Amino acid sequence: AQTVTQSQPEMSVQEAETVTLSCTYDTSESDYYLFWYKQPPSRQMILVIRQEAYKQQNATENRFSVNFQKAAKSFSLKISDSQLGDAAMYFCAYRSEKGSNQFYFGTGTSLTVIP
Amino acid sequence: NAGVTQTPKFQVLKTGQSMTLQCAQDMNHEYMSWYRQDPGMGLRLIHYSVGAGITDQGEVPNGYNVSRSTTEDFPLRLLSAAPSQTSVYFCASSYDRKTDTQYFGPGTRLTVL
Repeated sequence: AQTVTQSQPEMSVQEAETVTLSCTYDTSESDYYLFWYKQPPSRQMILVIRQEAYKQQNATENRFSVNFQKAAKSFSLKISDSQLGDAAMYFCAYRSEKGSNQFYFGTGTSLTVIP
Repeated sequence: NAGVTQTPKFQVLKTGQSMTLQCAQDMNHEYMSWYRQDPGMGLRLIHYSVGAGITDQGEVPNGYNVSRSTTEDFPLRLLSAAPSQTSVYFCASSYDRKTDTQYFGPGTRLTVL
């Protein structure tokens, strides 16, 4: 089974500053998808951004962008101009292009935004 | 659209009791799945379904049963609750197995005493 590792259990950032959350994964496959999900205190899982492994260009969604390094199996999330509403648990996830559509999730990084 | 709904939001059971966690979606999604979320372990797949009448096991299926009689509903049954099943349970759906975006329900917090 694929493994997804988030080595930062907790992170903090000053409001309006930039923060980067780390994620690494282990796979022998060449085609797959990577995601970042946000889970605020409401517990709802919200998709933040996705990246197809076959695309070299890093995905961007407004203030959120990723640094996808396929050879290094690294997929970090950068949040620019951090806002109080960004405070949440962030999960990195992997899905194979083949098979059951099963998602593999990391253990999460809790992000605190300091006013 | 209500999206993915789950009931109940909270539940306390005694060891050995059985119960069913309900999940429904109104987006005509073929693919539905159940996850459990435990502290320090992320989300782990319990069971999934690729369409009505078709279900399969995920990473941690023991102690749980599922069925999929309609496209909309995907209930999760705990046959004989154990304290190890104390967790937060999420149901998710997507259009099909090749679609990447999963939509999650609000979760059910289950405590087994």
